[in-house]
Amino acid sequence: GQQLNQSPQSMFIQEGEDVSMNCTSSSIFNTWLWYKQDPGEGPVLLIALYKAGELTSNGRLTAQFGITRKDSFLNISASIPSDVGIYFCAGQLRGSQGNLIFGKGTKLSVKP
Amino acid sequence: KAGVTQTPRYLIKTRGQQVTLSCSPISGHRSVSWYQQTPGQGLQFLFEYFSETQRNKGNFPGRFSGRQFSNSRSEMNVSTLELGDSALYLCASSSRLAESYEQYFGPGTRLTVT
Repeated sequence: GQQLNQSPQSMFIQEGEDVSMNCTSSSIFNTWLWYKQDPGEGPVLLIALYKAGELTSNGRLTAQFGITRKDSFLNISASIPSDVGIYFCAGQLRGSQGNLIFGKGTKLSVKP
Repeated sequence: KAGVTQTPRYLIKTRGQQVTLSCSPISGHRSVSWYQQTPGQGLQFLFEYFSETQRNKGNFPGRFSGRQFSNSRSEMNVSTLELGDSALYLCASSSRLAESYEQYFGPGTRLTVT
């Protein structure tokens, strides 16, 4: 089946640092979405992208829809403790109603 | 506007039993998708319903089924439970008429099969 390669799998952040993560695929996607999931909760939608090359921000979060339509990037600027959690990318293929394909997630933790 | 609600939040069942999970979408949303989340496989698509019709189905055995009611509420059923069915089951709703783009998730139902 379709797969999304999300990296890094995990990273440690110190307050104030910028964070970057990305997703790549061998397939062309119509839509890219980024979610954050906290323990015991469902994923919360952060940013939705619909056009190749599109750059969209939501507060300190910025995401981009890759030109090839096969990748997407999420950046978090000036991280704060509440940014800790698991971030997922998700893509939707054209005509695939309701079926989001998810990456395995990037786990953000606070540096000890 | 109230978010997606799922009941129950937690469930413990025994192998061989069946279970029914419920999902109420955001008011006005007509599309409901179901996903299974496990540590090993991540989030995997089960099926999607729109206007009481299943439009899309993932690669799960026939023991997994669902339905949608005229008020857009949805249920999923798992029959003959197996240990491997232990997972967080998430439903998501979307307002798109033609295709589901932005999906909003509920808190999930944590199913444990013993």
